[in-house]
Amino acid sequence: GIQVEQSPPDLILQEGANSTLRCNFSDSVNNLQWFHQNPWGQLINLFYIPSGTKQNGRLSATTVATERYSLLYISSSQTTDSGVYFCAVNAGNNRKLIWGLGTSLAVNP
Amino acid sequence: DAGVIQSPRHEVTEMGQEVTLRCKPISGHDYLFWYRQTMMRGLELLIYFNNNVPIDDSGMPEDRFSAKMPNASFSTLKIQPSEPRDSAVYFCASSWEGYGYTFGSGTRLTVV
Repeated sequence: GIQVEQSPPDLILQEGANSTLRCNFSDSVNNLQWFHQNPWGQLINLFYIPSGTKQNGRLSATTVATERYSLLYISSSQTTDSGVYFCAVNAGNNRKLIWGLGTSLAVNP
Repeated sequence: DAGVIQSPRHEVTEMGQEVTLRCKPISGHDYLFWYRQTMMRGLELLIYFNNNVPIDDSGMPEDRFSAKMPNASFSTLKIQPSEPRDSAVYFCASSWEGYGYTFGSGTRLTVV
């Protein structure tokens, strides 16, 4: 089955810094999503991005499907960006998402 | 739309008791997913439905777990009898066409 690897596993930033999170996947996908789980446990869908680039405020994401990776950019980080960022994919008709282990981000004031 | 609504938010129960978790998906969404999250195993997909029909229940841990979706606006996950190892956060999510999930706030289950 498809393997999903995220890097780095942990990241500590000072408020205001920029960061790039990476998601590599081992096979072609037709669905890639980025999620943020905040420190209170809530899971928020950030982007549905099987290919191309999207932006939402300080966050943007790019997926290069042919090279099997996706990047999540966080600019001018804020303490509220802390939490775990997950990448999840699926392929074909199966709607079961395959999840990466996540990147744990801590933004210090 | 109010998003995906789960109830209760917290549940503490004694071992052996029946537990029922509830989920109201977003109106118009045709897929509904039940997940469990623990520190040890991360996020696990338990079961998902398409148009109220269970499609894949291979993640349901054992016969003590059952899930139903009697209509497009309601689903339940039942554990009977509950055991301490079932303690976890249970999430429900819905989506249209299986893409762009929206998660509920989760139910934190503690079995003592």
